[in-house]
Amino acid sequence: AQSVTQLGSHVSVSEGALVLLRCNYSSSVPPYLFWYVQYPNQGLQLLLKYTSAATLVKGINGFEAEFKKSETSFHLTKPSAHMSDAAEYFCAVGAGTASKLTFGTGTRLQVTL
Amino acid sequence: NAGVTQTPKFRILKIGQSMTLQCAQDMNHNYMYWYRQDPGMGLKLIYYSVGAGITDKGEVPNGYNVSRSTTEDFPLRLELAAPSQTSVYFCASSYSPGQGVYEQYFGPGTRLTVT
Repeated sequence: AQSVTQLGSHVSVSEGALVLLRCNYSSSVPPYLFWYVQYPNQGLQLLLKYTSAATLVKGINGFEAEFKKSETSFHLTKPSAHMSDAAEYFCAVGAGTASKLTFGTGTRLQVTL
Repeated sequence: NAGVTQTPKFRILKIGQSMTLQCAQDMNHNYMYWYRQDPGMGLKLIYYSVGAGITDKGEVPNGYNVSRSTTEDFPLRLELAAPSQTSVYFCASSYSPGQGVYEQYFGPGTRLTVT
C-alpha cells in the first residue's frame, strides 16, 4: 500500500521568497511521485512527476522537486514566489496497476505582498 | 482537444434523488477515474476503469455506480443521494501504454450539494 503525508495544510510566503512544500511518501515498491496544482474552482493540473529517471525533477512555472529515497521525501520548491502561485498543491504517489494515485491532503499556498 | 469534460458544473439534489454525472475525454485514453474531494481530505478514488466494459472499485465506492460502454465516456451514477455525498467530483483520464504509472488529466469538476 502507498500513502502520502503533506506537512502543513497552509503555508504563507512573501512574494519573492522561497517556496517549500513538504511531501513524504510510503511505498512498498519503487514509487512514481507527482505534484499537482489546483487553482480555485478548477481541476488539478500536473506540475511535475518523478519516474526514476533523475532525482531532481523540473516542472512548469519554475517549480522543481527532489526525490530523496533515504528520507522518503519529494519536497516541492520554487526559488521566488509569485502572486500567481497562490493555489492548493497536492502530492501523489502511484504504484501498482491502472496508474492509480494516492493523494495527500493538500497544502494551500498563500503569497503575500 | 477539449481534454476531459464534465457536466453539470453545479447541482443541488434532494435527499433520495438520483443523478448521473457525465464525464467524457477526447484523448483516446484507456484509463478513467472518478474522485471526490472534500475539504482537508484530498482526493479519494471512487471507481476506475481500465477500458471499455471494465470497471473496478476504488477507496470509497459505496453509494455510487459506474459504467464504461465506450472509450470516451465514464458516467458516475448516484442512487438515493445522501448528505454525505455533498462534495466536488472530479473525473480524470490517463494513457497507460504499459508498465509504470502515468499522469492523470483532470476535468473541471462538478460541485454537488445534497440537502
